[in-house]
Amino acid sequence: EAGVTQFPSHSVIEKGQTVTLRCDPISGHDNLYWYRRVMGKEIKFLLHFVKESKQDESGMPNNRFLAERTGGTYSTLKVQPAELEDSGVYFCASSRAQGEVKNEQYFGPGTRLTVT
Amino acid sequence: QKEVEQDPGPLSVPEGAIVSLNCTYSNSAFQYFMWYRQYSRKGPELLMYTYSSGNKEDGRFTAQVDKSSKYISLFIRDSQPSDSATYLCAMSARRAGNMLTFGGGTRLMVKP
Repeated sequence: EAGVTQFPSHSVIEKGQTVTLRCDPISGHDNLYWYRRVMGKEIKFLLHFVKESKQDESGMPNNRFLAERTGGTYSTLKVQPAELEDSGVYFCASSRAQGEVKNEQYFGPGTRLTVT
Repeated sequence: QKEVEQDPGPLSVPEGAIVSLNCTYSNSAFQYFMWYRQYSRKGPELLMYTYSSGNKEDGRFTAQVDKSSKYISLFIRDSQPSDSATYLCAMSARRAGNMLTFGGGTRLMVKP
């Protein structure tokens, strides 16, 4: 079974530019999460999709961040326009359906975003 | 105050030692507790998953949860150099579909 994949692995952009991160969850996983780790801080939740619907987006920092999951498969996270404080590692995770016993979330390798 | 506190280390031990990693938390709603291992430049890898208080063992790893003290532990027996990584505790309030709250991670170094 293939794991969670993320693209790109690393992105360097200038302040004010736009960047789109992509996440492909494990096949069959209805739940998809985005998390972020900024330098020196713990990993923090951004938002949660159940299939194509946003279940919880309480962790999104501001309206410069837009997440989509069209068709309930892969997801994109767009940052527009990027600011210096957006630098960090963006992780995607997925887990099985809501009715499953465990909420085991499996993480991708992350996208390292550097805004200069 | 952070919801989950974890000593950042680094923790350096000789090969074969027993390692104890710990987290404390403040939110009594947390019911599900996880330990992740993260190698440098990689994503977190799920090691252990436990519900409520008690112990769970898997090979060289034992996870303990004490909800009355809001304290969780991960023990690694017969530690190996390949165990050198950052260990993250994470917790959630509901069984399924709930966001994880992470500790900052403890960096472990096992020296041959």
